[in-house]
Amino acid sequence: NAGVMQNPRHLVRRRGQEARLRCSPMKGHSHVYWYRQLPEEGLKFMVYLQKENIIDESGMPKERFSAEFPKEGPSILRIQQVVRGDSAAYFCASSPPWVRSQYFGPGTRLTVL
Amino acid sequence: DQQVKQNSPSLSVQEGRISILNCDYTNSMFDYFLWYKKYPAEGPTFLISISSIKDKNEDGRFTVFLNKSAKHLSLHIVPSQPGDSAVYFCAASEGNRDDKIIFGKGTRLHILP
Repeated sequence: NAGVMQNPRHLVRRRGQEARLRCSPMKGHSHVYWYRQLPEEGLKFMVYLQKENIIDESGMPKERFSAEFPKEGPSILRIQQVVRGDSAAYFCASSPPWVRSQYFGPGTRLTVL
Repeated sequence: DQQVKQNSPSLSVQEGRISILNCDYTNSMFDYFLWYKKYPAEGPTFLISISSIKDKNEDGRFTVFLNKSAKHLSLHIVPSQPGDSAVYFCAASEGNRDDKIIFGKGTRLHILP
């Protein structure tokens, strides 16, 4: 049973480019969460999705950031027109329904030059 | 506003002794608490959790204690082993808020030989 998978593990973008981060949840997990970790900080909640639905996006910046979890395929976190402040580790977590513990992927480290 | 606080950025413990990591929270609506362990360049790994209806949960060398009146929880690791050296995150969630997890900033645990 593979764990939560994220790709790419490392992503380098220049200012103004787009970043796409992918997350495949564990088998049987229908809930996906995205978190961001800045240096020397804890993880900050960004968005919670179920298949084809955004349940809670209260942690998402109002502009440039979007997330989706389509019926087929991985969840995608998209950052448009990246800026240096977007450089961080982005973690995806998943859980099955009715289970409150979340299981994390290895993260994508985004570096904006 | 920091709803989950880990006031010790780092902690050093002799191998074989007990490691005690502390965590305080401010939101009285939190009803589920978790501890995660994180190695560099990896995602957080779920360690142990506790529901607010309990005051203690034990799993092998790991025990979590919850003091609701003090809004305080602690993680005890006994005996401490070299592989326990990592960053430990305390986290909490509210059941009626779709289980987004609020993380503390983490405590770096060093196990000394």
